Amino acid sequence: NAGVTQTPKFQVLKTGQSMTLQCAQDMNHEYMSWYRQDPGMGLRLIHYSVGAGITDQGEVPNGYNVSRSTTEDFPLRLLSAAPSQTSVYFCASSYVGVRDSPLHFGNGTRLTVT
Amino acid sequence: AQTVTQSQPEMSVQEAETVTLSCTYDTSESNYYLFWYKQPPSRQMILVIRQEAYKQQNATENRFSVNFQKAAKSFSLKISDSQLGDTAMYFCAFMKANSGNTPLVFGKGTRLSVIA
Repeated sequence: NAGVTQTPKFQVLKTGQSMTLQCAQDMNHEYMSWYRQDPGMGLRLIHYSVGAGITDQGEVPNGYNVSRSTTEDFPLRLLSAAPSQTSVYFCASSYVGVRDSPLHFGNGTRLTVT
Repeated sequence: AQTVTQSQPEMSVQEAETVTLSCTYDTSESNYYLFWYKQPPSRQMILVIRQEAYKQQNATENRFSVNFQKAAKSFSLKISDSQLGDTAMYFCAFMKANSGNTPLVFGKGTRLSVIA
């Protein structure tokens, strides 16, 4: 019963490097999303998807790309990392259109960009 | 756009006492869901309680209860008989209803410390 799995748990990047944060869920959830958490800012939505092939921008999408080729996976790509992207990243998923379907969160990835 | 405001960045409470965390929100929607999430030091996000706006009865889950005031757009969380394990960040969140899945909008959080 894995739920939402995020890898890696920790990552350090140099400015300008690229990387992909992985997110996978095994609950057949249509909806998946990425949030970043910064001190004093709460959780802010980066991108989300309501199904395979469909993605949309959230509140803070700049500097991040996503794709949704399968129901299970929703990777987040940083093409050229910047110190402002130092944060904790959470992936979350749920069913679509089901009343009061709660979000299931992964355990987060702590990213540091130097 | 919806906004969620948590006006108390930090709070503390003695073990076994009761504490109330405040949350207000702004929306023009008539039907929506409200949530409280707990984030302990482990970083895991845990759903504590949820409320549907069309339900007038306040939600309760064991020691956790809410005071939902729709007209005032207020959604406070009351923790009774506080325990050391309640020490965590608490986030209030809002989601529109009846439109597929729209994203959760979070407040900035309240850090709660339970003191022995």
